[in-house]
Amino acid sequence: LAKTTQPISMDSYEGQEVNITCSHNNIATNDYITWYQQFPSQGPRFIIQGYKTKVTNEVASLFIPADRKSSTLSLPRVSLSDTAVYYCLVVQSGGYNKLIFGAGTRLAVHP
Amino acid sequence: GAVVSQHPSRVICKSGTSVKIECRSLDFQATTMFWYRQFPKQSLMLMATSNEGSKATYEQGVEKDKFLINHASLTLSTLTVASAHPEDSSFYICSARKGDSNQPQHFGDGTRLSIL
Repeated sequence: LAKTTQPISMDSYEGQEVNITCSHNNIATNDYITWYQQFPSQGPRFIIQGYKTKVTNEVASLFIPADRKSSTLSLPRVSLSDTAVYYCLVVQSGGYNKLIFGAGTRLAVHP
Repeated sequence: GAVVSQHPSRVICKSGTSVKIECRSLDFQATTMFWYRQFPKQSLMLMATSNEGSKATYEQGVEKDKFLINHASLTLSTLTVASAHPEDSSFYICSARKGDSNQPQHFGDGTRLSIL
């Protein structure tokens, strides 16, 4: 499974756009990228996933360049409630599609 | 959306007690569920993959005789921590996937296990 590297922590302010970049240099052809959010004492919550280019849903956008060696999660206009840990994962397609979590990025949104 | 429920949410018990944690997929069937453990300030660690009707697949370093997994139906997997000791105190989380293998996993809200 491709190893992921993302910032340990980030700070932002309410109303700003936050971009969290994840490196996955060894991503394989059949792998896809998925992002989860976790609040303290709760299970992770799925945010978005994609294989290439850009994916957008009601809460976030995911940008994946052509070489797929990195990806960027974009959170528009964050609020205090977006303070959480964000995990970038590379998932091997087929089989059980196990999720192997890295350290994640601890995002703190300030007033 | 897909909902995964865990029970109980918190357990406090004496050392040597066996503790059972349930994971249910409430509105979908899941042939595969996953069990994770998370220590404070750390990331989730995959413990095992639970397969309906067959034996669980454990990750390296996870004792199968310590962490007993039963996946008896398409909506229920259980994790039993046998003869729990203080070092087993942790946050245990399960997940399940609705639909095909490329669908996202949905997580329960976890079980906080404290062994005195």
